[in-house]
Amino acid sequence: ETGVTQTPRHLVMGMTNKKSLKCEQHLGHNAMYWYKQSAKKPLELMFVYSLEERVENNSVPSRFSPECPNSSHLFLHLHTLQPEDSALYLCASSQGRFKPRGQETQYFGPGTRLLVL
Amino acid sequence: EDQVTQSPEALRLQEGESSSLNCSYTVSGLRGLFWYRQDPGKGPEFLFTLYSAGEEKEKERLKATLTKKESFLHITAPKPEDSATYLCAVRGGGSYIPTFGRGTSLIVHP
Repeated sequence: ETGVTQTPRHLVMGMTNKKSLKCEQHLGHNAMYWYKQSAKKPLELMFVYSLEERVENNSVPSRFSPECPNSSHLFLHLHTLQPEDSALYLCASSQGRFKPRGQETQYFGPGTRLLVL
Repeated sequence: EDQVTQSPEALRLQEGESSSLNCSYTVSGLRGLFWYRQDPGKGPEFLFTLYSAGEEKEKERLKATLTKKESFLHITAPKPEDSATYLCAVRGGGSYIPTFGRGTSLIVHP
């Protein structure tokens, strides 16, 4: 596997279910990101984990819970979601702060298409 | 606060009709300007990173240029398979987290 991978690629869940999205990066990066992308809307940053810090978008509901056990893996735990949470969830990775020029690019995974019924 | 504005929001071209997409930005200490292509339902695919004014990069029918205030993505003789949303992002010296624009949706008609 190369680059950034995400599983599952598609997920349908009811509002009472609990599920998790998984992301893995094989690029040696030390920062990982979760984004939400709804139809016709721009990318919305949800969470960032890096060696230096964890960053949260304060507008993200608590029914989304991230977990980053190491620099290569990132999870997004989902519980009691709402239909408006249906979207494409994208994982990305990059080098974090204080890295040499030439290593700033952020790379994305293929996304998980989530449908909440 | 870093800001990115992309224009136009949507662009329709005939096959072979060259055009340019614009990305205007304000950033403190540019560390990189990024262009991505995104197909519907898929993750953004990295195209280019530009670092300083005057820099240009090319890939097939695409050419990205950079000034101190904006970047252009020039599309020469586009084909229907170039249809996608093109995203621009910047990374400033104050944060390693990039700021994205809303994208330009390009449709190329055969």
